[in-house]
Amino acid sequence: DAGVTQSPTHLIKTRGQQVTLRCSPKSGHDTVSWYQQALGQGPQFIFQYYEEEERQRGNFPDRFSGHQFPNYSSELNVNALLLGDSALYLCASSRDLSYFEQYFGPGTRLTVT
Amino acid sequence: GIQVEQSPPDLILQEGANSTLRCNFSDSVNNLQWFHQNPWGQLINLFYIPSGTKQNGRLSATTVATERYSLLYISSSQTTDSGVYFCAVLNSGGSNYKLTFGKGTLLTVNP
Repeated sequence: DAGVTQSPTHLIKTRGQQVTLRCSPKSGHDTVSWYQQALGQGPQFIFQYYEEEERQRGNFPDRFSGHQFPNYSSELNVNALLLGDSALYLCASSRDLSYFEQYFGPGTRLTVT
Repeated sequence: GIQVEQSPPDLILQEGANSTLRCNFSDSVNNLQWFHQNPWGQLINLFYIPSGTKQNGRLSATTVATERYSLLYISSSQTTDSGVYFCAVLNSGGSNYKLTFGKGTLLTVNP
């Protein structure tokens, strides 16, 4: 039973560039959430996708956008990268109704220089 | 929004010692999870425990939802238990689907 997978593992970008991160949910899961974790902090909720629509959004600017595909996989896009976007980006999946247990992928570590 | 406070922020133990980590939350919850974050950043699920008590080997957890706290017990600690432990909750009511995390407890187990 494959768990949550994310790609790439690491990424280095330059300020002002755009980046796309990818996530495949755990088998049987249809809901995907994205979190940003800065160094020394707990993960912060970015948004959640269900049925290919953004269902809830955290306190992040419009530079952060996403997409969910019919196979439930998801992408996180960040435009006009800032140095402060450097962080670990975590994807979590669950069955619908997110009070079910959420499972996290290994994360993508983004460095903006 | 809901507030999650974890204590202590840091904990240093000798191998074999027992420990208790605490998570306080400010509102009612539908979901409470404990995670262990390994040095590579992976969040490992320890417990899904919105209420009651669960045990898994040397680890156990108790959530008293009416008093808005949860405890994670680690017995006979091992060096591999080192890392950051997070409590995360999902606030009940309304259209809320996000997990809110505490700041974590950094556990160091020395040989």
